[in-house]
Amino acid sequence: DGGITQSPKYLFRKEGQNVTLSCEQNLNHDAMYWYRQDPGQGLRLIYYSQIVNDFQKGDIAEGYSVSREKKESFPLTVTSAQKNPTAFYLCASSPTGGAIPNTQYFGPGTRLTVL
Amino acid sequence: AQSVTQLGSHVSVSEGALVLLRCNYSSSVPPYLFWYVQYPNQGLQLLLKYTSAATLVKGINGFEAEFKKSETSFHLTKPSAHMSDAAEYFCAVSGGGSYIPTFGRGTSLIVHP
Repeated sequence: DGGITQSPKYLFRKEGQNVTLSCEQNLNHDAMYWYRQDPGQGLRLIYYSQIVNDFQKGDIAEGYSVSREKKESFPLTVTSAQKNPTAFYLCASSPTGGAIPNTQYFGPGTRLTVL
Repeated sequence: AQSVTQLGSHVSVSEGALVLLRCNYSSSVPPYLFWYVQYPNQGLQLLLKYTSAATLVKGINGFEAEFKKSETSFHLTKPSAHMSDAAEYFCAVSGGGSYIPTFGRGTSLIVHP
């Protein structure tokens, strides 16, 4: 079955440590996204990528970094510079092209808790 | 700039009652509108989307939404709530050359037996 996988489901880290969240898709989508979800705040865009080896900052990129070396993979690193990293992180992908914005397909999410 | 406002962070209904989740948008260009559902500790999945083909859009699980340009609204409805409908619902808007949607803050639907 095609889809998006995120690992791990739950992640605990000590304050000051960098941590990398995995996102893999086998939908052959060009675009991939990372969102942060906090209670009552909806989804906020961290980074997005339209094509391999290219990515753009979203609304809340400070303290995060990404890479897009393969079409299928878009890992997110939460660095020690992120002031409040505890949150639920969602990865998504979508086709690109066409006149109509495409549906985004979401992974199951990773809940990060920084102790 | 585009934005979405979802009225009511929580909506509570009885099983079998009408579900109405409100969404108003702001967009300087013709919008494309989406409703997504999120079950606890899961990702989002698409319920339905408006792409200007028809103002009344039918989605999965018996949900539908009507695009009303004059009211800048895209409210989500379901005639009869089921316990399994309890979830978080997000309205989103995109358009004007931007394929990245702007999400509302979400509405939590609570269904009482």
